[in-house]
Amino acid sequence: NAGVTQTPKFQVLKTGQSMTLQCAQDMNHNSMYWYRQDPGMGLRLIYYSASEGTTDKGEVPNGYNVSRLNKREFSLRLESAAPSQTSVYFCASSDLRTGPYSNQPQHFGDGTRLSIL
Amino acid sequence: AQSVAQPEDQVNVAEGNPLTVKCTYSVSGNPYLFWYVQYPNRGLQFLLKYITGDNLVKGSYGFEAEFNKSQTSFHLKKPSALVSDSALYFCAVRDIERYSSASKIIFGSGTRLSIRP
Repeated sequence: NAGVTQTPKFQVLKTGQSMTLQCAQDMNHNSMYWYRQDPGMGLRLIYYSASEGTTDKGEVPNGYNVSRLNKREFSLRLESAAPSQTSVYFCASSDLRTGPYSNQPQHFGDGTRLSIL
Repeated sequence: AQSVAQPEDQVNVAEGNPLTVKCTYSVSGNPYLFWYVQYPNRGLQFLLKYITGDNLVKGSYGFEAEFNKSQTSFHLKKPSALVSDSALYFCAVRDIERYSSASKIIFGSGTRLSIRP
């Protein structure tokens, strides 16, 4: 019962390096999301994908890019890492029922802890 | 814009006592509200949601939440706390975008619940 799987679990980068965070879900969900979690700030949405083939910016998209590779996979890329991007990154997915106002809960992975030196 | 506020960074309760974790919301239109829990080094887990209907919503692990429209509150409650309830709790509200089919959620800043034996 994997749910949402994120890789890697931990990563340390130097300023200016690039990397891609991977996320895959096995629940046949349409929508996928990337969040960052910082102390005292809750979760902030970086990018989301309502369905395969579409992506949209969230609250804090600067410095990030995403790819919805297929229905299962949604990756997050840091092209040139900065210390301000040190955070815990969470991927989530949710089902999309009929109509535009789906109220299905989101299912989360266990996060990637990223440190930028 | 939709928003939620969790006025308490930390709540401390003795095991066996009732607990309340507070949440207030601001929405345009009907509120769609959620509670999530996060254990150390894990992703968020869905506890319960309010869409419509009864003001008292029951969820996982014996938790319930009371929706109060006049006070714009959605407090999380449990009649008898367990040490294992110690975790970080997030209130969340559905962010409705008329032209988007994604179920975006806005999270509060979180409340750390500590249950002492």
